Amino acid sequence: GQNIDQPTEMTATEGAIVQINCTYQTSGFNGLFWYQQHAGEAPTFLSYNVLDGLEEKGRFSSFLSRSKGYSYLLLKELQMKDSASYLCAVRDSNYQLIWGAGTKLIIKP
Amino acid sequence: IAGITQAPTSQILAAGRRMTLRCTQDMRHNAMYWYRQDLGLGLRLIHYSNTAGTTGKGEVPDGYSVSRANTDDFPLTLASAVPSQTSVYFCASSGTGGAGANVLTFGAGSRLTVL
Repeated sequence: GQNIDQPTEMTATEGAIVQINCTYQTSGFNGLFWYQQHAGEAPTFLSYNVLDGLEEKGRFSSFLSRSKGYSYLLLKELQMKDSASYLCAVRDSNYQLIWGAGTKLIIKP
Repeated sequence: IAGITQAPTSQILAAGRRMTLRCTQDMRHNAMYWYRQDLGLGLRLIHYSNTAGTTGKGEVPDGYSVSRANTDDFPLTLASAVPSQTSVYFCASSGTGGAGANVLTFGAGSRLTVL
């Protein structure tokens, strides 16, 4: 079966750096996505990786290793507003998105 | 309207009743989706539509139906609601092809409680 694994919850301090990992086992691979979801709100798109390596976008970066079935989302200079759930999703060989359960990130002052 | 609008925002429903969740987008996206989100689980695809006039089944289609009469509207109907359909429902859309494919824009969600 297809599977996306992420930690359920993480805690970090304001101003620090946090890395949220995602491992996947899917039928084929056509890209990996990260979305941010604040409590009670809709998910919003953060990043997309289809080739190995690091994609940087401001304070957020996303890394992909296709051979290891692994990605991470790196958040720098954490702010209180970064408290949210972070969802990892993989597009499989049928171009359908398979979603992880999400990682709830708690930022403490 | 800017983006995707869902209605109702929240609804409590008696088991056995029929319910339609509405979804409208103004981005002229070809593809639209209905997901449910339950605590501890990832988003699960219920139904999708790649273009007006076509629909397809997702991972958890049983008990739900959809229609896509035009590009903008994609309603989700529960013919006879059951308590296991208590969930938060998200409608989403995406452009097809190129960089926009599968970058989803979500509506604000509809919280449904079936008693």
